[in-house]
Amino acid sequence: AQSVAQPEDQVNVAEGNPLTVKCTYSVSGNPYLFWYVQYPNRGLQFLLKYITGDNLVKGSYGFEAEFNKSQTSFHLKKPSALVSDSALYFCAVREYSSASKIIFGSGTRLSIRP
Amino acid sequence: EPEVTQTPSHQVTQMGQEVILRCVPISNHLYFYWYRQILGQKVEFLVSFYNNEISEKSEIFDDQFSVERPDGSNFTLKIRSTKLEDSAMYFCASSLEGQYNEQFFGPGTRLTVL
Repeated sequence: AQSVAQPEDQVNVAEGNPLTVKCTYSVSGNPYLFWYVQYPNRGLQFLLKYITGDNLVKGSYGFEAEFNKSQTSFHLKKPSALVSDSALYFCAVREYSSASKIIFGSGTRLSIRP
Repeated sequence: EPEVTQTPSHQVTQMGQEVILRCVPISNHLYFYWYRQILGQKVEFLVSFYNNEISEKSEIFDDQFSVERPDGSNFTLKIRSTKLEDSAMYFCASSLEGQYNEQFFGPGTRLTVL
C-alpha cells in the first residue's frame, strides 16, 4: 500500500532562515507526490507536485521540493522563511493503482518566529 | 482565480438525521472528490466522481454515504443517518483530470453530530 510519512509534528524556524519540512514515501510504482498547505479555517492549498522529470520542483510562494528516489524522500524547502509561512503542511502521494485517490501524511505544523 | 466553494461552513445536526453537504467545483474541472478530516487526524479520501458516476471509494464510504451532481455546477455529499463519529471537517475537491493534475480543495464544511 502507498503511504507518506511526515516525521516531525512541528518545525520551528526563525524568520529569514531556511526551512525544511520532511516527507518520505512508500509506493509500489512511480510516485506522484504533492505538497499542500492549510492555513487556519481554510481548505488545503496546492503548493507543488512531482510527476516526472527534474528532481527539484518549484512551487507557489517561493517553496520548492526535492525528489530523491534513493532515499524515497520529497522534502519541502524554502531558502528564507517568512512569518506568513506559518501553517500546517501536508505531503501527499497519488496511489499508483488509483486514477484519483490521494493519500495524505499526518501534517507538519510550521511555525516561523519573527 | 477560480476556486472550489462549499456550503455551509458549519453544520450541526442530531444523530440519526440526514445531512447534505454542498460543493461547487471549479467550472471546467471533470473530476470531483470528497475527503474528510476528523479533528487531529489525517485527511482521508472518501470518494471520487467522474462522468456522473463514482470512480473510486474508500472503506469509509459505506451505504450511509452518497454523492450526486444534480446539475452542471453542484456536487453534493449526503449522509443518510449521521453518527457521532461522522463529526469531522469535510473537504470537496476538483481536478481537471484524474491522474496527473493537482486537486483543488474547498474551505471545508465542519460537521458536528450531537
